[in-house]
Amino acid sequence: GAVVSQHPSRVICKSGTSVKIECRSLDFQATTMFWYRQFPKQSLMLMATSNEGSKATYEQGVEKDKFLINHASLTLSTLTVTSAHPEDSSFYICSAGLTTGELFFGEGSRLTVL
Amino acid sequence: QKEVEQDPGPLSVPEGAIVSLNCTYSNSAFQYFMWYRQYSRKGPELLMYTYSSGNKEDGRFTAQVDKSSKYISLFIRDSQPSDSATYLCAMSVYNQGGKLIFGQGTELSVKP
Repeated sequence: GAVVSQHPSRVICKSGTSVKIECRSLDFQATTMFWYRQFPKQSLMLMATSNEGSKATYEQGVEKDKFLINHASLTLSTLTVTSAHPEDSSFYICSAGLTTGELFFGEGSRLTVL
Repeated sequence: QKEVEQDPGPLSVPEGAIVSLNCTYSNSAFQYFMWYRQYSRKGPELLMYTYSSGNKEDGRFTAQVDKSSKYISLFIRDSQPSDSATYLCAMSVYNQGGKLIFGQGTELSVKP
């Protein structure tokens, strides 16, 4: 299947700092990428849809000023968690899809805010 | 009521058993159905992808979709300890650009 790479896989930061997570589609171009969040023992919750060259679309309840998304090219989307707090600690996963509708996921980034 | 319901388990079976995993859904607009496998602390891995009612087979895995009953299943034959993981069903309405709605996930343990 198609490959989606995510970096970093693990990050620990102090409360109040900002953290950037990158998502790359390695062998295909993706005009749309998706950012999910997953708490322990729970399923994935869609946070936002990242659109290349335009603003991201956020799901209800997700603060767009808190979770900044940039999709500057057809193979790269970034999620920046601004002024992170302990409650932002979670597993963040990106995905990108083929035109057929199949979605492939990155390996995830585990954020721990101290 | 959640859009997608999935029994969270945990489900424990002996090696070699046939495993049946199921999801029900309420939104009749869903057209695309997927099963993902997720190992602990890893991203989900796409196992099966279907877009019509009926069966689709890939090796030891068979995905079944019954749109009239709004019910999908994943069968694993000759289960192996390496199949131990959380299995997530997911579905989408295609014209929403691939936005997926996930089930809660079923935790499977295959004992040697």
